Amino acid sequence: EPEVTQTPSHQVTQMGQEVILRCVPISNHLYFYWYRQILGQKVEFLVSFYNNEISEKSEIFDDQFSVERPDGSNFTLKIRSTKLEDSAMYFCASTGELGNQPQHFGDGTRLSIL
Amino acid sequence: DAKTTQPPSMDCAEGRAANLPCNHSTISGNEYVYWYRQIHSQGPQYIIHGLKNNETNEMASLIITEDRKSSTLILPHATLRDTAVYYCIVRVATGANSKLTFGKGITLSVRP
Repeated sequence: EPEVTQTPSHQVTQMGQEVILRCVPISNHLYFYWYRQILGQKVEFLVSFYNNEISEKSEIFDDQFSVERPDGSNFTLKIRSTKLEDSAMYFCASTGELGNQPQHFGDGTRLSIL
Repeated sequence: DAKTTQPPSMDCAEGRAANLPCNHSTISGNEYVYWYRQIHSQGPQYIIHGLKNNETNEMASLIITEDRKSSTLILPHATLRDTAVYYCIVRVATGANSKLTFGKGITLSVRP
């Protein structure tokens, strides 16, 4: 069964450094998402992306965040200048064209900011 | 999206059916009910979704009341591997780009 894959599984970065989290969505999917989950808290929506542009973003997704689909398969989340509070699990998800199709999630990248 | 209410936790014996309730009394006509689960800190796993009819797949059954104000996810023969946090989410289905809003979910513990 096709799945969403995320790399790396764990990323350790110094505060202030830039980090790029990578995702390969399911191949025929067109809508892409990033969510995050701070340890012990709820899963929170960050951003949705379709047709090479952001469809919706949350208030968490400020100017330090950006997303890109650099080629036909990858979907990336960049955090420009990381802060301690960016430490979290980051999940990528994708879904197909139809309105009620479910989103399918990857297993996430654990980001640890030192 | 309509808000959902789930009890914080429940348990069941291995091999028995697990019935997980969810209230969504403010659900709108164009909102679907989705169920996901999360095992440890893995990514949320899609289980099932429905609009108004009962649905069944290889993982579970979803029973939606006639007024659509509540639903129940049924795991027919729970195993230890079904121990997880289960999320009931109501989502507008008019566009594939609508986000999922996760609550705290219900923690299901399956005991041997």
